[in-house]
Amino acid sequence: AQSVTQPDIHITVSEGASLELRCNYSYGATPYLFWYVQSPGQGLQLLLKYFSGDTLVQGIKGFEAEFKRSQSSFNLRKPSVHWSDAAEYFCAVGDINYQLIWGAGTKLIIKP
Amino acid sequence: DSGVTQTPKHLITATGQRVTLRCSPRSGDLSVYWYQQSLDQGLQFLIQYYNGEERAKGNILERFSAQQFPDLHSELNLSSLELGDSALYFCASSTGGRGTDTQYFGPGTRLTVL
Repeated sequence: AQSVTQPDIHITVSEGASLELRCNYSYGATPYLFWYVQSPGQGLQLLLKYFSGDTLVQGIKGFEAEFKRSQSSFNLRKPSVHWSDAAEYFCAVGDINYQLIWGAGTKLIIKP
Repeated sequence: DSGVTQTPKHLITATGQRVTLRCSPRSGDLSVYWYQQSLDQGLQFLIQYYNGEERAKGNILERFSAQQFPDLHSELNLSSLELGDSALYFCASSTGGRGTDTQYFGPGTRLTVL
């Protein structure tokens, strides 16, 4: 069955430091992969998505993610985090026939 | 602003009561999704409608029901409310109804059951 794992429930990063949030999926075919962000008190917003082509995907707010088929991963990265990046981040996988399968989310805490 | 609107923003009610949450999708979107987000359960998919028809069901309780109207707005009805139903309820919409579609989320309705 399809599944998405975000191994880290919380991650704390100093402001200005680099960030990597992990996402692993289990899926038989080529997945459609998404990262969403939920700022405190807000709904979820799409950061980026991967369907095909270049495995390095650029998103909004300076985020990028890399699809690695051999590792079944789609990790989210940012070279330098800002305090406004404090939020919860959700990875999701879907395909043309199925609903999105959501990860449990990773809460990002920024240290000043 | 995603273009998805949800009303009300906050709702406080008592156990055993019934409430209705309303969602208006983005202009042109045919599909509406309902989610429940609580501290202990995380983000849970409840149900999806596409152009007025139920498309997929997730972890929706029998006490909960939803519908999508001809103008594509949707309502989520929660009845015989329990303390554990206290949560944020999100609506999302998408153009189509498949797992490849980007979902646009509303700001949510915070339900408190006392």
